[in-house]
Amino acid sequence: GAGVSQTPSNKVTEKGKYVELRCDPISGHTALYWYRQSLGQGPEFLIYFQGTGAADDSGLPNDRFFAVRPEGSVSTLKIQRTERGDSAVYLCASSLTGGQGRSEAFFGQGTRLTVV
Amino acid sequence: GEDVEQSLFLSVREGDSSVINCTYTDSSSTYLYWYKQEPGAGLQLLTYIFSNMDMKQDQRLTVLLNKKDKHLSLRIADTQTGDSAIYFCAEIPEANQAGTALIFGKGTTLSVSS
Repeated sequence: GAGVSQTPSNKVTEKGKYVELRCDPISGHTALYWYRQSLGQGPEFLIYFQGTGAADDSGLPNDRFFAVRPEGSVSTLKIQRTERGDSAVYLCASSLTGGQGRSEAFFGQGTRLTVV
Repeated sequence: GEDVEQSLFLSVREGDSSVINCTYTDSSSTYLYWYKQEPGAGLQLLTYIFSNMDMKQDQRLTVLLNKKDKHLSLRIADTQTGDSAIYFCAEIPEANQAGTALIFGKGTTLSVSS
């Protein structure tokens, strides 16, 4: 596609529920990143995919968070047993090759998750 | 630990120059970045500088890097109302060998008045 697309743009869920956030990267981009941005903060790294595999998941805060990219294109971030502290904007980015130092990462507009 | 710090707000008049400052902690960072975030829009990469450079200029943007003081600045010449946004400084610390995890500051909100 023309840019990184994230759906839904907004998601409101009840505490304890399960949510899935979707990211469609730019076509042909092998690298995909997830970040989380809380109010008044900068984005915080969660996970990085190179192709289908998670090359770096060191930013996932706990085992309630999981992400997949089964065909090396679309990625889904999954959050189990959501907590109010999970409320944030979840950003997805993709780049042509891996390693953000070598290839510009393009960001989507994010999914605003609100846990009530 | 790794940390990137920025002042939170900057207010300037249209036509003036804006200077946004950033300090970082990892002296081994290879790349340092400036991103722009407008309301309802994704992060947009404005410019970046490699650690072996002191300065980089791109049209109205000038990036200055002082490695000794671990200080990075972004100067916007002839600031326009369309430049109003949040500006993020970011680094890739050497500890991240794959160069995957950008460490962002909290962002500087630039307000441009006409």
